[in-house]
Amino acid sequence: QKEVEQDPGPLSVPEGAIVSLNCTYSNSAFQYFMWYRQYSRKGPELLMYTYSSGNKEDGRFTAQVDKSSKYISLFIRDSQPSDSATYLCAMSEKDDKIIFGKGTRLHILP
Amino acid sequence: DAGVIQSPRHEVTEMGQEVTLRCKPISGHDYLFWYRQTMMRGLELLIYFNNNVPIDDSGMPEDRFSAKMPNASFSTLKIQPSEPRDSAVYFCASSPTGSNYGYTFGSGTRLTVV
Repeated sequence: QKEVEQDPGPLSVPEGAIVSLNCTYSNSAFQYFMWYRQYSRKGPELLMYTYSSGNKEDGRFTAQVDKSSKYISLFIRDSQPSDSATYLCAMSEKDDKIIFGKGTRLHILP
Repeated sequence: DAGVIQSPRHEVTEMGQEVTLRCKPISGHDYLFWYRQTMMRGLELLIYFNNNVPIDDSGMPEDRFSAKMPNASFSTLKIQPSEPRDSAVYFCASSPTGSNYGYTFGSGTRLTVV
């Protein structure tokens, strides 16, 4: 089993829809959970950062962590064409290297 | 701040040639990471440095790969000799701490070995 699993997509949704992106992981020692967004031919950029379990909201974005199920989610409300990108989940143990999922390609259709 | 700066943006080289990728981290960031990204394997950590010292190079594929950080503002990743399977996008990232607050990535170097 890979350490971090993420559906590669592509995921296509109409503009304005709610998007749900998910990852599962196997290492129960992970404490820091992140979502990165990567536009084509660009480097990943940090979108959301969460420590341990719970929810975090930032504008149209909400990150959820369920450590008991080893499952994290990113929700995007009122999706826009500019949200079209690859979204990578990422996680780490305390102050250790970050392990990335392979990314989910998201297309928002105008 | 100009962010993490990588050069070159694109590199095309022949099999067997030496390739050197360069990175300038964000000033004040103590950690520097080299990642490789392919469709098949995603983002893979190759090596990372803390205060210019290599901490973990377990991701370096083989002895053909080497990385140095001679000072706080510069790092290189060298492949010698290069092979077609090394074709990928290589990213450099830096961070003020370890992983606690995420990394800032450069724009990457797209390497093609023919």
